[in-house]
Amino acid sequence: DTEVTQTPKHLVMGMTNKKSLKCEQHMGHRAMYWYKQKAKKPPELMFVYSYEKLSINESVPSRFSPECPNSSLLNLHLHALQPEDSALYLCASSQEGTHIYEQYFGPGTRLTVT
Amino acid sequence: QKEVEQNSGPLSVPEGAIASLNCTYSDRGSQSFFWYRQYSGKSPELIMSIYSNGDKEDGRFTAQLNKASQYVSLLIRDSQPSDSATYLCAVQGASGNTGKLIFGQGTTLQVKP
Repeated sequence: DTEVTQTPKHLVMGMTNKKSLKCEQHMGHRAMYWYKQKAKKPPELMFVYSYEKLSINESVPSRFSPECPNSSLLNLHLHALQPEDSALYLCASSQEGTHIYEQYFGPGTRLTVT
Repeated sequence: QKEVEQNSGPLSVPEGAIASLNCTYSDRGSQSFFWYRQYSGKSPELIMSIYSNGDKEDGRFTAQLNKASQYVSLLIRDSQPSDSATYLCAVQGASGNTGKLIFGQGTTLQVKP
């Protein structure tokens, strides 16, 4: 089973709203990722969690706040976003402890900031 | 110089033909290489991974890796209209075991019936 789930599928929010994106995997993976993807562009890495600890922050603005409550869950808290933050937000997971990092993506959350 | 380069296409092939997608990378220390397929409006789907020089076959897909020349390719045999998608090449960076993938811009494949 290589399933990563994400909720919600679609989200429309105003620039003053606070919302959260959720991601869950049950593959026993210990690394989880947030990516942002704009139209006709490749995914762009935002954050990496390894064994529930933040290991990479790709200089993402503080209006994006990640959280990893446990090894199966990953959240992305959103606050005071800008219209240019509208994109497809992808969660992925992979095994840890080896040199092989096959990453499996969830279906994504389509975010529109108005 | 971009770290992972792909021809953006579109690459157009007739149904039943072999589609050949190519990717070059700049970091000679890269160890792991992946091909993802992404349909319009959907998320990337891992279709092939390759770690050693040579060919790796999985059904109609063959991944080829040449570390000396720093290229990786994906061959799709007996192409079907359902193969029409964007194919993303991804390379794991050599700088530690961070799991960070570097993606190419993607090649759009069109398979015409």
